[in-house]
Amino acid sequence: ETGVTQSPTHLIKTRGQQVTLRCSSQSGHNTVSWYQQALGQGPQFIFQYYREEENGRGNFPPRFSGLQFPNYSSELNVNALELDDSALYLCASSLAAGGAYEQYFGPGTRLTVT
Amino acid sequence: SQQGEEDPQALSIQEGENATMNCSYKTSINNLQWYRQNSGRGLVHLILIRSNEREKHSGRLRVTLDTSKKSSSLLITASRAADTASYFCATDDYKLSFGAGTTVTVRA
Repeated sequence: ETGVTQSPTHLIKTRGQQVTLRCSSQSGHNTVSWYQQALGQGPQFIFQYYREEENGRGNFPPRFSGLQFPNYSSELNVNALELDDSALYLCASSLAAGGAYEQYFGPGTRLTVT
Repeated sequence: SQQGEEDPQALSIQEGENATMNCSYKTSINNLQWYRQNSGRGLVHLILIRSNEREKHSGRLRVTLDTSKKSSSLLITASRAADTASYFCATDDYKLSFGAGTTVTVRA
């Protein structure tokens, strides 16, 4: 059983650029959630995908978008990058949607926007 | 907005001592989860406690939940250097709402 993987590990982008982060969910999991974690803070929920459909969204602007593929892997896209987007981006997969399920987190992608 | 709020923000203890941290939340919950994070990496699930449970154990971890006070506590007994990490509580909805965490340092 493989765990949750994310790529790339680190990324440096310039303000105004676009970025795509990738996540492979744990085998058997159909739900993926994305979180943004600023330094010294807890993870903030961006959105969740359940069976390829968005299943809830946090307080993030539309330039944060996502996709989930038939194999349940997922992408997070951020357009028009801002300096405040610098953070650790975490994806987490779970057996099903909803907060009653343990979430399995990937190691994260560290994004730096200059 | 963050639902769970951990207290204290930081904790430093000697190896072998117990560590206790608390979590308060604002609205009714169905479940509350505790996670650990080492050095800014991915989070690891520790325990899930349901709203109809008052206490749960897992190895050296003990979690309590008081829904009347909207609070939970995590106790780590006989701490080890490997317990050095940040600990987060997360309340549920269709998503997890995390607090800012408690940073625990276990001194050898």
